[in-house]
Amino acid sequence: AQTVTQSQPEMSVQEAETVTLSCTYDTSESDYYLFWYKQPPSRQMILVIRQEAYKQQNATENRFSVNFQKAAKSFSLKISDSQLGDAAMYFCAYSSMNRDDKIIFGKGTRLHILP
Amino acid sequence: DGGITQSPKYLFRKEGQNVTLSCEQNLNHDAMYWYRQDPGQGLRLIYYSQIVNDFQKGDIAEGYSVSREKKESFPLTVTSAQKNPTAFYLCASSTLSVIGTVNQPQHFGDGTRLSIL
Repeated sequence: AQTVTQSQPEMSVQEAETVTLSCTYDTSESDYYLFWYKQPPSRQMILVIRQEAYKQQNATENRFSVNFQKAAKSFSLKISDSQLGDAAMYFCAYSSMNRDDKIIFGKGTRLHILP
Repeated sequence: DGGITQSPKYLFRKEGQNVTLSCEQNLNHDAMYWYRQDPGQGLRLIYYSQIVNDFQKGDIAEGYSVSREKKESFPLTVTSAQKNPTAFYLCASSTLSVIGTVNQPQHFGDGTRLSIL
């Protein structure tokens, strides 16, 4: 069974600095999707970035980028120029490419932004 | 605008009572999901449905029931058999992937917070 592990329950970063959130996963499949979701205090889940496993190029979305290491099964999220609005829970998630495509979530990392 | 609507935002349950959480989507998505979120636990899947009149148990289905009579609606009933129902409940939807095409990530509602009286 696939699993997603986020080893950092909480992290803090100074405003305008860069922070990296870690995520590892376990799967026997070769093709799949990986996601980072953000859950601010409003509790709504927001998709931050998505990576397809068959793409070697790391996904980027404005200040958010990932470091996808397929062989190591690692999928970290880098947030550059951190802003106060980035404070939230961040969830790493995995989804297979087959029809039974439930998304599997990690337990989350709470990110604090220090002014 | 398309989206997912969950209601109510807050719900209280009395001892021995069943309560139903509503989830409606106008995204024309095939799949719908219910998650439970407890502090420090992340999201856990309760039930999911990939097609009308069909649904499957997730990881923590005991004490819950669902129906999928319409594509846009996926209500969740928290029964009296669920002894610890206090949690935040999130409904989500997605299109279904076809092998070789890009999967659509799930869209989420704003959630319902259920508490015990």
